[in-house]
Parts: sequence; C-alpha cells; structure tokens
Amino acid sequence: GESVGLHLPTLSVQEGDNSIINCAYSNSASDYFIWYKQESGKGPQFIIDIRSNMDKRQGQRVTVLLNKTVKHLSLQIAATQPGDSAVYFCAEKPSTGANNLFFGTGTRLTVIP
Amino acid sequence: DVKVTQSSRYLVKRTGEKVFLECVQDMDHENMFWYRQDPGLGLRLIYFSYDVKMKEKGDIPEGYSVSREKKERFSLILESASTNQTSMYLCASSLNRGYTFGSGTRLTVV
Repeated sequence: GESVGLHLPTLSVQEGDNSIINCAYSNSASDYFIWYKQESGKGPQFIIDIRSNMDKRQGQRVTVLLNKTVKHLSLQIAATQPGDSAVYFCAEKPSTGANNLFFGTGTRLTVIP
Repeated sequence: DVKVTQSSRYLVKRTGEKVFLECVQDMDHENMFWYRQDPGLGLRLIYFSYDVKMKEKGDIPEGYSVSREKKERFSLILESASTNQTSMYLCASSLNRGYTFGSGTRLTVV
C-alpha cells in the first residue's frame, strides 16, 4: 500500500495477470476518491473514481473497491498489460473544508512481459 | 477533449533568477492548482485558486507566488530560484471534483 517516506512502494506482475494496488487513506470524512495513473515524464491521468456511498465501481479493465470501515481503497487491473506500467496514486477529497484533493505518494507498477 | 497546457516541458534556470511557469486550461474551470512532485514525497500543494484574482497558500508556498489574472491562466512564480526548487511542477484544474493535470514542467535550477 501507499506510505509516506523515501521509497515508493513497488509491485511487479506478469503480463496477463491481475494487479491489485492498495491505498490507505487518512480522513474518515472523505467522500470522494480517485485513482490516477502517471507514466514516466507525464502528468497524472484520471483512471476511475468512486463516491463514499459506493463500495465498488468498475471501468474498462479496472475496478475500484472502497472499504470505509478500515479506510482502504484498492485498484484492481485485470489482464495487466505492459502499457499499464506506471505510478498509481490514490486521492481523497474531504466532504468539508476546501475543495482540494489529498494525494498518496504512489505505487510503481511494473509489468513483466 | 479537456486540456491543461503547461508552457514548458523542461526548463533550466540559474540560482537567483525569477522564473515563470505558465498553465492554461480550456475547460472554463474555476479551480486551479500548482503542485511540485519529488521522489518519495508525492504531490505537494504549493498554491491554488478558486477564482480570478484569488489565491490561497497550499502546504509549501515559501519561495513561490502565483498570479491568476484570467480564469484560464494560472502562473507560478519563483521570485529567486534556488537549487532546492529543482523539481517536477504540475498544474491542475477542476470544476468541483476530480482534477485534470498538465504534462508537467521539469525545472532544474543550477
């Protein structure tokens, strides 16, 4: 899962396998969550989002799961491809206060051909 | 397609120079943000703006200022660049929830 520190968590998977990237968020008042993908040398790109009134949302080859009880978010990528290699960030938005997102430090996913 | 454009991909500046990083969005978004991204530290918010001529300090505003004279443009200014401001700078905009990011500007201060 994501953590604050000097080392980025890493995950290596074989091409074709499923990937699960985890994120522990900090604010129980957060009501909106997003996963971003950042490829080398590029800005983060939106992948999928979920509101706190849901516990699962599916997109194309991706699924986000939300467990509010333990403040845990995960991103599942089905049939991982080399193009999925990137750093993945989760972000949370508190329901109160400023309209800002708070980001995790990211997990680097490497897909082995 | 929604777009956030950062004017430079790579910049090299000398210590003490005044540096302008420009960001333009074409989505009529109210909110704009400047982050810096450093290895192991993730995205750190420098400044943000919810409206024209409005600005708010983020988590690490020291050594930076911003300008939002028009809705579509949000500029980050390094008043006197220092080597510890070498970083990847990311601009983002949003309407009310998710952000759209630019491609980033990698700034090196020598």
